[in-house]
Amino acid sequence: EDQVTQSPEALRLQEGESSSLNCSYTVSGLRGLFWYRQDPGKGPEFLFTLYSAGEEKEKERLKATLTKKESFLHITAPKPEDSATYLCAVQAPSGGSYIPTFGRGTSLIVHP
Amino acid sequence: DSGVTQTPKHLITATGQRVTLRCSPRSGDLSVYWYQQSLDQGLQFLIQYYNGEERAKGNILERFSAQQFPDLHSELNLSSLELGDSALYFCASSVDGQGDYGYTFGSGTRLTVV
Repeated sequence: EDQVTQSPEALRLQEGESSSLNCSYTVSGLRGLFWYRQDPGKGPEFLFTLYSAGEEKEKERLKATLTKKESFLHITAPKPEDSATYLCAVQAPSGGSYIPTFGRGTSLIVHP
Repeated sequence: DSGVTQTPKHLITATGQRVTLRCSPRSGDLSVYWYQQSLDQGLQFLIQYYNGEERAKGNILERFSAQQFPDLHSELNLSSLELGDSALYFCASSVDGQGDYGYTFGSGTRLTVV
């Protein structure tokens, strides 16, 4: 069974304090790995897609990286508005389709 | 606004009742995915439709059913509701049936069963 594990479950940072979130996965036939941001009571908002080990993507203060077993979301000099839950999802074959399987997320709070 | 529209935003109903959740995908997207999000389970995949046909099934209960109509909007029907069905229900859409260009989520329907 495909597994996606995110750590830590919760993270509190001071504004400007850089850190990394981890997403480890065991899946057969990984097609892609996604990072989403979710604010309370709202739908997940797309951040990045990574397809192969060694790939990196950046957006403002966020950088996502991928290895064969895990992905990291690096947050550089975070601001309070970066507070949200960050979700990782792996896209793998499911019958005749590809379905993203989500981890439970990391809840990030950035204090001013 | 993501372009994926879900209605209603909130729904409160009693145990044993039946409800219908509606999703209009982003313009041009042919595939719709339904997810359930509860505090203890995270985002759980329920079912996928592509261009009107069921494409993949996840952990969807027999009390739940869905369909996608010719205009590509989708409905998720939940019947014989139980307290444990209280959750956020999200719809996502993608251009193709494989999500090669990513998935766009709606803002969800919060279902409360009392």
